[in-house]
Amino acid sequence: QQQVKQSPQSLIVQKGGISIINCAYENTAFDYFPWYQQFPGKGPALLIAIRPDVSEKKEGRFTISFNKSAKQFSLHIMDSQPGDSATYFCAASIRNTGFQKLVFGTGTRLLVSP
Amino acid sequence: NAGVTQTPKFRILKIGQSMTLQCAQDMNHNYMYWYRQDPGMGLKLIYYSVGAGITDKGEVPNGYNVSRSTTEDFPLRLELAAPSQTSVYFCASITGEGGNTIYFGEGSWLTVV
Repeated sequence: QQQVKQSPQSLIVQKGGISIINCAYENTAFDYFPWYQQFPGKGPALLIAIRPDVSEKKEGRFTISFNKSAKQFSLHIMDSQPGDSATYFCAASIRNTGFQKLVFGTGTRLLVSP
Repeated sequence: NAGVTQTPKFRILKIGQSMTLQCAQDMNHNYMYWYRQDPGMGLKLIYYSVGAGITDKGEVPNGYNVSRSTTEDFPLRLELAAPSQTSVYFCASITGEGGNTIYFGEGSWLTVV
């Protein structure tokens, strides 16, 4: 019940296209769903996050769509650029006065071809 | 403001050796974490700390130990290294005062041969 399932494992998108990465969870106590971006040789960095009280959050070219009833959430990258090529992790946690114990998905390696 | 600093960046250990991965943060964060990242497996929580003197086990604590004597430092000790501990290790921290962002270090690549 603590798992977060992420797909696809890898993704190739042409420049200008839309990249879509999906995640699903089981634990309905999760109340915070961040996405992390990781470049080779670096640590993950927070990209965008959503709470379950909204169905969508957009920041620039990045959008999270959240479906509470289906227990699924996804990351959409619009107008994908070669600089977006990285590994993306979804995660989930139960926030408790600031403390987060994140459960991570297995990651999606995105390659945006020029 | 350096953020989360990990040392060493790369290390090769022989089976049975021990070592300590160092982690320091200069953001006065209360909460600190150690994760390991294996190919295709995401990040797994090894240990975490909610403040100086307080540590607790995560999902995969076997073969590791931690201590938190100060707010800034959270070293991870590997005792009797095994090939299964070959991985990339990430230290991370979060303020604990309503902040949402967990800050990760750049990672320590460990190979046990």
